[in-house]
Amino acid sequence: NAGVTQTPKFQVLKTGQSMTLQCAQDMNHEYMSWYRQDPGMGLRLIHYSVGAGITDQGEVPNGYNVSRSTTEDFPLRLLSAAPSQTSVYFCASSQVGTDTQYFGPGTRLTVL
Amino acid sequence: GENVEQHPSTLSVQEGDSAVIKCTYSDSASNYFPWYKQELGKRPQLIIDIRSNVGEKKDQRIAVTLNKTAKHFSLHITETQPEDSAVYFCAAYNYGQNFVFGPGTRLSVLP
Repeated sequence: NAGVTQTPKFQVLKTGQSMTLQCAQDMNHEYMSWYRQDPGMGLRLIHYSVGAGITDQGEVPNGYNVSRSTTEDFPLRLLSAAPSQTSVYFCASSQVGTDTQYFGPGTRLTVL
Repeated sequence: GENVEQHPSTLSVQEGDSAVIKCTYSDSASNYFPWYKQELGKRPQLIIDIRSNVGEKKDQRIAVTLNKTAKHFSLHITETQPEDSAVYFCAAYNYGQNFVFGPGTRLSVLP
């Protein structure tokens, strides 16, 4: 049972490039979410999903897309990277009903 | 929507003393309140949680109290140790909504 996994761990992009951050969980959790963490800002919700085929926007969705084709995977796409997207990105999942949320190890993204 | 405030933003205590971190929330429908500990460069880890039908919960040196009327909940750490040094986040959640996190408290335990 690997829990929540994320790849890559580190990534450097140039402004305007696109990329996908991968997130997977093997706990059969319905709820998955993406957060970004900036210094002194806590965790801010980007997008979330309550099940395969269902996604919705969080607090800071601009510049990001998500899809949920399977229960296990919830990738986050940066469409055209900007320096303001430099941050640490965490994926998390939880089982509806128990509510305990588990975090992945994070991806540290730098946009030059 | 829900708004969570957390105080203090930084806290320094002597080893062996107690530490208290307080959070307030705005949405009375929130019914689940977890606390996370995040060490430098690591992911947030759940350390304790409480539901709205419970007033207090303990786990060894850690306890959480909830006052639904005042809409605040607090984390209590007794007999602090250097390994308790970290950033602590509170959150509020209601089924059908999302987790809303406080801005965090940096706890330093001085030997």
